[in-house]
Amino acid sequence: AQTVTQSQPEMSVQEAETVTLSCTYDTSESNYYLFWYKQPPSRQMILVIRQEAYKQQNATENRFSVNFQKAAKSFSLKISDSQLGDTAMYFCAFMQLNRDDKIIFGKGTRLHILP
Amino acid sequence: GAGVSQTPSNKVTEKGKYVELRCDPISGHTALYWYRQSLGQGPEFLIYFQGTGAADDSGLPNDRFFAVRPEGSVSTLKIQRTERGDSAVYLCASSFIPGGPETQYFGPGTRLLVL
Repeated sequence: AQTVTQSQPEMSVQEAETVTLSCTYDTSESNYYLFWYKQPPSRQMILVIRQEAYKQQNATENRFSVNFQKAAKSFSLKISDSQLGDTAMYFCAFMQLNRDDKIIFGKGTRLHILP
Repeated sequence: GAGVSQTPSNKVTEKGKYVELRCDPISGHTALYWYRQSLGQGPEFLIYFQGTGAADDSGLPNDRFFAVRPEGSVSTLKIQRTERGDSAVYLCASSFIPGGPETQYFGPGTRLLVL
């Protein structure tokens, strides 16, 4: 069974700094997607970034980028120039390709951006 | 267009009662998912619909939980004889085509509190 592990329950950084959230996962499959979702207090899960496992190039979305290490089964999220609006829970997640599409989430990292 | 909507936003009920939680997916999305998020945890998969049929209900915790999607659009999650341990946020998500690169879009969830 696939598992997703986030080892940092909570983090705090100053506004405008760069922060990296860690994630490791376990799977025997070779084709899958990895995601980072943001969940603010409104409870709305918002997709931040997605990585296809077959792509070697790391995904980027504006201030958000990932460091995808397939052999190590590591998928970290880097947030550059952090903003107060980045304060939220961040979930790392896994989805197997061409199967039942359920997403497997980690337990989350609570990120505080301090003014 | 409108996103995924869920009603009610919050539900308080007494132990032993029956509850229904409703999900209205994005128009045209064929796939619909229910997840449960307990306090301090990431969402956990409950059930997945492709059209009107439940393609995977392996995440339903027991036979008190049941979900329907009779016309392939709106879905209702039904919980019988509620228990205090059922208290959680119930999230619904939809996507256009399962098994591919399509993103799952989440609703704001229903927070269920069983007293």
